[in-house]
Amino acid sequence: DAGITQSPRHKVTETGTPVTLRCHQTENHRYMYWYRQDPGHGLRLIHYSYGVKDTDKGEVSDGYSVSRSKTEDFLLTLESATSSQTSVYFCAISESTRGTVNTEAFFGQGTRLTVV
Amino acid sequence: GNSVTQMEGPVTLSEEAFLTINCTYTATGYPSLFWYVQYPGEGLQLLLKATKADDKGSNKGFEATYRKETTSFHLEKGSVQVSDSAVYFCALTYGGATNKLIFGTGTLLAVQP
Repeated sequence: DAGITQSPRHKVTETGTPVTLRCHQTENHRYMYWYRQDPGHGLRLIHYSYGVKDTDKGEVSDGYSVSRSKTEDFLLTLESATSSQTSVYFCAISESTRGTVNTEAFFGQGTRLTVV
Repeated sequence: GNSVTQMEGPVTLSEEAFLTINCTYTATGYPSLFWYVQYPGEGLQLLLKATKADDKGSNKGFEATYRKETTSFHLEKGSVQVSDSAVYFCALTYGGATNKLIFGTGTLLAVQP
């Protein structure tokens, strides 16, 4: 199994508070992603990173920010949590091989976040 | 834009039945196509993939063929087992420097003994 650890695995927080989720990898992969999973929507990309300090927005980035200060860690911050951000969050990593970028992604176990 | 459409579930089958989960895509260029599986309480894991037209991906008895003419990548298995009960996601990546995965909405498969 790919070495990806998400923390915490479960969290309950109050509306309006900031929350940070952590993704840690031991694979030295270049690309890291944050997705959220909601019924009827599949997985939607929040933010992604293509290198240290190189990040960009996905399709549902409003209300979220990210940081990647070293290869192994990718942090997702909910600046002021809202009930609509109650979801399961997945981190994923991938790497390019011999110049080909369409390689598979490996996923963490997920973080279940509840905003009350 | 790039997108993936897969059949809605849940799909309920009896053990040893034939499975088809439809997946079609819209993409510019030549994406790679994937099927991921998610077992209860777990993250997603790759089931199979195909990187160019007419490629067939296969794993654990599952198969899917990359059909560029119909922009499809349907998942099939000849005889499902109870242990195949999971959510199945079709996905694609397209060119560029980011290797982003675009997912379908997922199809829940429930196999009954």
